[in-house]
Amino acid sequence: GAGVSQTPSNKVTEKGKYVELRCDPISGHTALYWYRQSLGQGPEFLIYFQGTGAADDSGLPNDRFFAVRPEGSVSTLKIQRTERGDSAVYLCASSLNGGTPQHFGDGTRLSIL
Amino acid sequence: QKEVEQNSGPLSVPEGAIASLNCTYSDRGSQSFFWYRQYSGKSPELIMSIYSNGDKEDGRFTAQLNKASQYVSLLIRDSQPSDSATYLCAVIGGSNTGKLIFGQGTTLQVKP
Repeated sequence: GAGVSQTPSNKVTEKGKYVELRCDPISGHTALYWYRQSLGQGPEFLIYFQGTGAADDSGLPNDRFFAVRPEGSVSTLKIQRTERGDSAVYLCASSLNGGTPQHFGDGTRLSIL
Repeated sequence: QKEVEQNSGPLSVPEGAIASLNCTYSDRGSQSFFWYRQYSGKSPELIMSIYSNGDKEDGRFTAQLNKASQYVSLLIRDSQPSDSATYLCAVIGGSNTGKLIFGQGTTLQVKP
């Protein structure tokens, strides 16, 4: 695709449920990033993949959050036992390699009831 | 102290004026600096990147970087109502893992 694609665009679920958010980066981009943005704030870094491996997962808030990128392309962010505080827009970005400009997808708006 | 700081605004300018947006950062080892524009309800859109001291111009946009003062700015000339958005300053820190550290954004309002 031409840009970063994220699905679903919206997700509403109940507290305690498990959710998966998907990101399909720009073709050829080896670096992939997940961020989380709350209202009125800038995006907050969660995790960075270079190829298949997580090069930096220092932003994951706790062990309920996990992300994979098994083939070095599509990535899935997984959240277990969701809490109301997890409600935010989850943004995915990709770049040619680490350090080059990042391009964002449209995000997934996650609402935990 | 936040790692990247911006005045949240709103900054209000009349149409046709120059809008000046400012950002300071704390990590002296930072090497890469970016400005993103974010319309309400949309995702951030990259508008400028700058890596060395001085000015970088692209159309109506000029980014300015002063590493000694740990300061980066964005000038928008001939501001248009369509420029009304939140402008996010983002920095890749000295550890250079590639992760962006964002400021909270400055809301710009351009009034016709």
